Amino acid sequence: GAGVSQSPRYKVAKRGQDVALRCDPISGHVSLFWYQQALGQGPEFLTYFQNEAQLDKSGLPSDRFFAERPEGSVSTLKIQRTQQEDSAVYLCASSLSNIEAFFGQGTRLTVV
Amino acid sequence: AQKITQTQPGMFVQEKEAVTLDCTYDTSDQSYGLFWYKQPSSGEMIFLIYQGSYDEQNATEGRYSLNFQKARKSANLVISASQLGDSAMYFCAMREGLRTGANNLFFGTGTRLTVIP
Repeated sequence: GAGVSQSPRYKVAKRGQDVALRCDPISGHVSLFWYQQALGQGPEFLTYFQNEAQLDKSGLPSDRFFAERPEGSVSTLKIQRTQQEDSAVYLCASSLSNIEAFFGQGTRLTVV
Repeated sequence: AQKITQTQPGMFVQEKEAVTLDCTYDTSDQSYGLFWYKQPSSGEMIFLIYQGSYDEQNATEGRYSLNFQKARKSANLVISASQLGDSAMYFCAMREGLRTGANNLFFGTGTRLTVIP
């Protein structure tokens, strides 16, 4: 597609449930980022991939969060045993350069 | 310390007028980049404008310009001739260490701009 695509757009999970969020970056973009945006806040960095290599995962808040990009294109962010504090919008971005990053519309996760 | 500070939670501007959204930043890196993004209610972050720390000229992109004052560590966004479609959240962001390969963006808390007809 022309832009970064994320699915699902909305996800409601019961506390303790595992969720998987998908990101389809722009074709050919080697860099892929995941960000978490809490209500009323700016996005916060979670993790970064260059092709299939996860070069930085310093922003992942706990070991319940796991991200992968096995073939260097589609990425999945997995959250195990979801908690209420995980409720947020999860944004994916891809880029070719250090200048412009293209963001998807995000997945709004609500943990009840 | 916050890397990006946006002190205006909300701003109002009359249609066709200009508005300045404030942003200050904190870094010890010599090489960094400053960005502004627009986030409408649909949720997507839309890239507006970029300023590199070594760029001597202020960046401009159509109705957007970035007032870069390096000594004051400020990177204010100026929107000229405001339109109703400009109503959205605006985020200032910074990428440090451009030459070492560090890549993630640090965002401020945003400013909600409302354009009044």
